[in-house]
Amino acid sequence: EPEVTQTPSHQVTQMGQEVILRCVPISNHLYFYWYRQILGQKVEFLVSFYNNEISEKSEIFDDQFSVERPDGSNFTLKIRSTKLEDSAMYFCASVPGQGARELFFGEGSRLTVL
Amino acid sequence: DAKTTQPTSMDCAEGRAANLPCNHSTISGNEYVYWYRQIHSQGPQYIIHGLKNNETNEMASLIITEDRKSSTLILPHATLRDTAVYYCIVNAGNTGKLIFGQGTTLQVKP
Repeated sequence: EPEVTQTPSHQVTQMGQEVILRCVPISNHLYFYWYRQILGQKVEFLVSFYNNEISEKSEIFDDQFSVERPDGSNFTLKIRSTKLEDSAMYFCASVPGQGARELFFGEGSRLTVL
Repeated sequence: DAKTTQPTSMDCAEGRAANLPCNHSTISGNEYVYWYRQIHSQGPQYIIHGLKNNETNEMASLIITEDRKSSTLILPHATLRDTAVYYCIVNAGNTGKLIFGQGTTLQVKP
């Protein structure tokens, strides 16, 4: 069964460093998302991406965050200057296309900011 | 998107049916009811969704009341691997922006 894959599974970084989290969505999916989950808290929507541009973003997704799909397969989330409060699980998800209602989530990347 | 209310936790005996309730009294006519689950800290997993008719798939059944103000997810024969946090989410569009609540922690016991 096709799946969304994410790398790295765990990254430890120093505060202020840049981090890039990578996702390979399911082939032929058209809509892509990032969610995050701080330990013990709810899963929170960050951003949605379609047709090479952001279609919606949450208040969490400030100027420190960016997303891109550089080569038609990878979907990346960049955090420019990490803060302690960015420590969380980051989940990538994808959807086949308009009208599809099932989000396929990856296993997540755990980010620890020291 | 309408708000949902779920019990914080539930227990179920292995092999028995698990019935997880959800209230969504402010649901709008065009909003679907979705169920996802999260096993430990893994990515959320889609289970089922419905608009107004009851739905069944290989994982579960979804029963939606006639007034659509509440629903029940049924796992017909719960196993230990069904221990997870179950999220009931109401969502209108197909934007993929899901609002997760705290969900129901289901503990399946031997």
